[in-house]
Amino acid sequence: DAMVIQNPRYQVTQFGKPVTLSCSQTLNHNVMYWYQQKSSQAPKLLFHYYDKDFNNEADTPDNFQSRRPNTSFCFLDIRSPGLGDAAMYLCATSRSGLATDTQYFGPGTRLTVL
Amino acid sequence: DQQVKQNSPSLSVQEGRISILNCDYTNSMFDYFLWYKKYPAEGPTFLTSISSIKDKNEDGRFTVFLNKSAKHLSLHIVPSQPGDSAVYFCAASAQSGGGADGLTFGKGTHLIIQP
Repeated sequence: DAMVIQNPRYQVTQFGKPVTLSCSQTLNHNVMYWYQQKSSQAPKLLFHYYDKDFNNEADTPDNFQSRRPNTSFCFLDIRSPGLGDAAMYLCATSRSGLATDTQYFGPGTRLTVL
Repeated sequence: DQQVKQNSPSLSVQEGRISILNCDYTNSMFDYFLWYKKYPAEGPTFLTSISSIKDKNEDGRFTVFLNKSAKHLSLHIVPSQPGDSAVYFCAASAQSGGGADGLTFGKGTHLIIQP
């Protein structure tokens, strides 16, 4: 009965080699978010989709892109991973995006960059 | 330039006692505050929240207090139980901004309940 699923749970990539992280949801929520959490840091919002509308945070590097081909799936693409991109990546969903709507998080994908 | 600060990385409390987790914020636009709980190898899960029009929200063993003038909120857990051992994240949002804005999180406090 998993609601927000992230694959893979652990991803190892090489410096500069493109990598894609996957998130899927069974909640049929309109909004999907991607957060980056570096070691001992706060989760930081990278971007979100409201339905098909993409909203990028002002300080999210261009190296990070996202795709949402349908309601259920959302992908995080890192075009040229650097050592500083090693982090836990958390996907979350929300029914309408209002602050009062609970955000449901997946277990995260831990990215290692060699 | 952290907008949400949790200054205690860890907190150890005896079972049955009160746990108090603190959070400070700097952005005056924040008007909705949340606490998330995270167990190892799981994603954060919503615990409780409070709107800026209130100064207290009780939910069973969990009570959130908000002091807007001090830009400070706290989560009280009474009595503390072993299952409460987890990382607690404070988060904030500006509802008045509209749209599907994400949350601004603190770094988290690792609560350890001692038997």
